[in-house]
Amino acid sequence: IAGITQAPTSQILAAGRRMTLRCTQDMRHNAMYWYRQDLGLGLRLIHYSNTAGTTGKGEVPDGYSVSRANTDDFPLTLASAVPSQTSVYFCASSDSPTDTQYFGPGTRLTVL
Amino acid sequence: GQNIDQPTEMTATEGAIVQINCTYQTSGFNGLFWYQQHAGEAPTFLSYNVLDGLEEKGRFSSFLSRSKGYSYLLLKELQMKDSASYLCAVLDSNYQLIWGAGTKLIIKP
Repeated sequence: IAGITQAPTSQILAAGRRMTLRCTQDMRHNAMYWYRQDLGLGLRLIHYSNTAGTTGKGEVPDGYSVSRANTDDFPLTLASAVPSQTSVYFCASSDSPTDTQYFGPGTRLTVL
Repeated sequence: GQNIDQPTEMTATEGAIVQINCTYQTSGFNGLFWYQQHAGEAPTFLSYNVLDGLEEKGRFSSFLSRSKGYSYLLLKELQMKDSASYLCAVLDSNYQLIWGAGTKLIIKP
């Protein structure tokens, strides 16, 4: 592993289903982030974690939850997917909240 | 509210110079970032400005004026591979990045 990995690469999901997007980094970064990117809009922060064991809500947290049990992993869960959650999801990490963020390759999620 | 404005799309010619502007209104300012994003790929870091002035890095330069809430990214000697979206983002008072919608740059031969 080098940098940040995300899984799956893409997924088609029925509305109402539960889904977990995985994110793992090997840079020993303290801070991690989940964004969604929709056409015509800037990246929007869903949830973040400044250090293992802590999480916080971003701009668009409703319908999503996260956990940060260790430094490397930061999964994002959609408890009951809805079509408006169709988007490209990016995970990112940085050494601290003021440092440059590095992004994973993204997960393209379609909710039908 | 917080707002980052960039042009939606720009077109330039291979070998030329292009300037992409970004204006911002945010709650606090802890630095401004520029990222490049090729279609279907992740954003990658280009530059960071926290003090007024010009930062040069090879063919790319970034300028910041905090009093005007303004930044620009200057790309010189354009190459076809520079065709991408360029994202401006400001680190606000909560140390969260606020992103512009991006400027799609089209390079023509």
